[in-house]
Amino acid sequence: TQLLEQSPQFLSIQEGENLTVYCNSSSVFSSLQWYRQEPGEGPVLLVTVVTGGEVKKLKRLTFQFGDARKDSSLHITAAQPGDTGLYLCAGEMNRDDKIIFGKGTRLHILP
Amino acid sequence: GAVVSQHPSRVICKSGTSVKIECRSLDFQATTMFWYRQFPKKSLMLMATSNEGSKATYEQGVEKDKFLINHASLTLSTLTVTSAHPEDSSFYICSARRGTSPQKQFFGPGTRLTVL
Repeated sequence: TQLLEQSPQFLSIQEGENLTVYCNSSSVFSSLQWYRQEPGEGPVLLVTVVTGGEVKKLKRLTFQFGDARKDSSLHITAAQPGDTGLYLCAGEMNRDDKIIFGKGTRLHILP
Repeated sequence: GAVVSQHPSRVICKSGTSVKIECRSLDFQATTMFWYRQFPKKSLMLMATSNEGSKATYEQGVEKDKFLINHASLTLSTLTVTSAHPEDSSFYICSARRGTSPQKQFFGPGTRLTVL
């Protein structure tokens, strides 16, 4: 059973378009992280959200944590080729417990 | 962000040999480190949790005698793939945990293992 479901699994869009990636679960998380990974490298932490309903912005990226802390979304405005990569959401279920990863969304931005 | 290094970045070995991979947290102390395995175009699969000064906790299906983990100091954890076989070929990534909830994990750059 996959605790964190990410959708879509793959997304290929034109430069300049907007997109949203979703991370859903039936479980409550004490915190949730978003990572981006490029081929042959380790994941890089983008953001951590903790409070239900929280919204964080990182330049053109907007992250939202659901009110019930069961889901999250990543919205990218005016996507650029540099945004290409594997986006992973990861949840911390209990305090200081291991982090559970979703299967990832592979994003490809076409120039 | 914090810096985590892995060595080697790539290793090619013959079937039956053992390979050691090092994971170091360079600018913070990590009582807990994690080892992951990643297959091509797939997400990260947690193999084990490495705790400084105590035995590692392995995930279901991961052979502890096959994948030996040692976390002898607050900045170093090692993963030894013993008697490697071609099916062990993969991308191995470590992470070091910093802070308490919300915890943050900082990942190393990964090690590409190829077993001939």
